[in-house]
Amino acid sequence: KAGVTQTPRYLIKTRGQQVTLSCSPISGHRSVSWYQQTPGQGLQFLFEYFSETQRNKGNFPGRFSGRQFSNSRSEMNVSTLELGDSALYLCASSRGGNSPLHFGNGTRLTVT
Amino acid sequence: DQQVKQNSPSLSVQEGRISILNCDYTNSMFDYFLWYKKYPAEGPTFLISISSIKDKNEDGRFTVFLNKSAKHLSLHIVPSQPGDSAVYFCAARSIYNQGGKLIFGQGTELSVKP
Repeated sequence: KAGVTQTPRYLIKTRGQQVTLSCSPISGHRSVSWYQQTPGQGLQFLFEYFSETQRNKGNFPGRFSGRQFSNSRSEMNVSTLELGDSALYLCASSRGGNSPLHFGNGTRLTVT
Repeated sequence: DQQVKQNSPSLSVQEGRISILNCDYTNSMFDYFLWYKKYPAEGPTFLISISSIKDKNEDGRFTVFLNKSAKHLSLHIVPSQPGDSAVYFCAARSIYNQGGKLIFGQGTELSVKP
């Protein structure tokens, strides 16, 4: 069974630009969550989508947004990039309910 | 306000011995706890979980213990192997967020020496 796939693996962007990251969940998983990992803040929850609806949102500014498609694939978008957005962005999928999250290998975003 | 804390940033253990990783939490509304292992340049890998209705869960070499009164959980790895060297994160889920929102600790880097 294929795991969670995230593309691209690496991205370099300039301040002020916008970026879109993609995530394909494990087949059959309807919940997709996004996390940001930085050395200072650790792993922080961005948002979760379930059946194309945002079910939960973390404490991030509105520049961070996402969506989920009918096949459960998800994208997250960051607009007006800032230097502090440089991080590893992780996507995780689950069946929902009380089941564990399974993570992809992340997209490393560098903002210069 | 760090609701999940892993107070030891690193731990070094001899191969074959027991590794004990600790995690404390402050939110009494947490009812599901998980441990993840992370290698550099990879995403976290799920290891083992425990519901708040239990105090112990085992899976092979991995055992998680939960002490609700102390708001403390621990992961035991027996016997430890060099391939276990990685960063370990504990995570918790609130009863109010039965989905993908986990609160993570800062991680403990485990080094298992041959």
